[in-house]
Amino acid sequence: EAQVTQNPRYLITVTGKKLTVTCSQNMNHEYMSWYRQDPGLGLRQIYYSMNVEVTDKGDVPEGYKVSRKEKRNFPLILESPSPNQTSLYFCASRPGLAGSDTQYFGPGTRLTVL
Amino acid sequence: SQQGEEDPQALSIQEGENATMNCSYKTSINNLQWYRQNSGRGLVHLILIRSNEREKHSGRLRVTLDTSKKSSSLLITASRAADTASYFCATIRGSNYKLTFGKGTLLTVNP
Repeated sequence: EAQVTQNPRYLITVTGKKLTVTCSQNMNHEYMSWYRQDPGLGLRQIYYSMNVEVTDKGDVPEGYKVSRKEKRNFPLILESPSPNQTSLYFCASRPGLAGSDTQYFGPGTRLTVL
Repeated sequence: SQQGEEDPQALSIQEGENATMNCSYKTSINNLQWYRQNSGRGLVHLILIRSNEREKHSGRLRVTLDTSKKSSSLLITASRAADTASYFCATIRGSNYKLTFGKGTLLTVNP
C-alpha cells in the first residue's frame, strides 16, 4: 500500500531533550516536506527536500533540522525542543516536478514539549 | 505567510444539503488544490484545478477557479454526516512547487 508513515504518533517530552520524528514513504517520491499545524494558524511548512541531499527552509524552520540521506526517509530533528514547538506535525511527499502536484500526507505526530 | 484564506471558518448544515466553501489567494498560482482533514488526522487530497481551468468535477465535488478574482470555491452536493471534516485550499506557485495552505473551513454535517 502506498503510504507515508511517521513515528512516533504521539510524544511527550521535556524542554531541551533532543528528539527525532521519522518519516518514510514507499512511493519513490522525490519531494518531501514537513509541516506543523497549530490552531488558528493552519499548516505551515517547516522544511522541504527536492531530492536526496537537497533540503531547504520553509516558512518556519527555526529550531528544526532535517536530513535526506535516502530517497524514502526524511527525519525531522529537534535539537533542543521548547514549549512553543508543541504542535501537530505532518510529513508529506509528492513525485518530482514532472509528476503530479498532489501531496500525500502521513498520519501526523502530536508533540507536547513540557 | 498564508496564501489561501477559506471562508467561512465554520459551516454547519443538515445531511442532504449542499455545502459551499470559498478560498481566496493573493498571488498568481500554478494550480489550486483542496484537501480534507478528519479531526487530528492527516490530510487527504480531494481535487486539483489548474490555473487554466475554470471548473472541475469529481463525484459529489465541484470546484471552480476564478483567476481574475483570485478565488476558488468547493461545492459538496448532497452532504453526508461522513463529510464532517476540515477542508483546506492550498496553492502552488513558483519553481519549487511549494504548497501553501489556508486556515481551513470546519464543516459539520448534522444527521
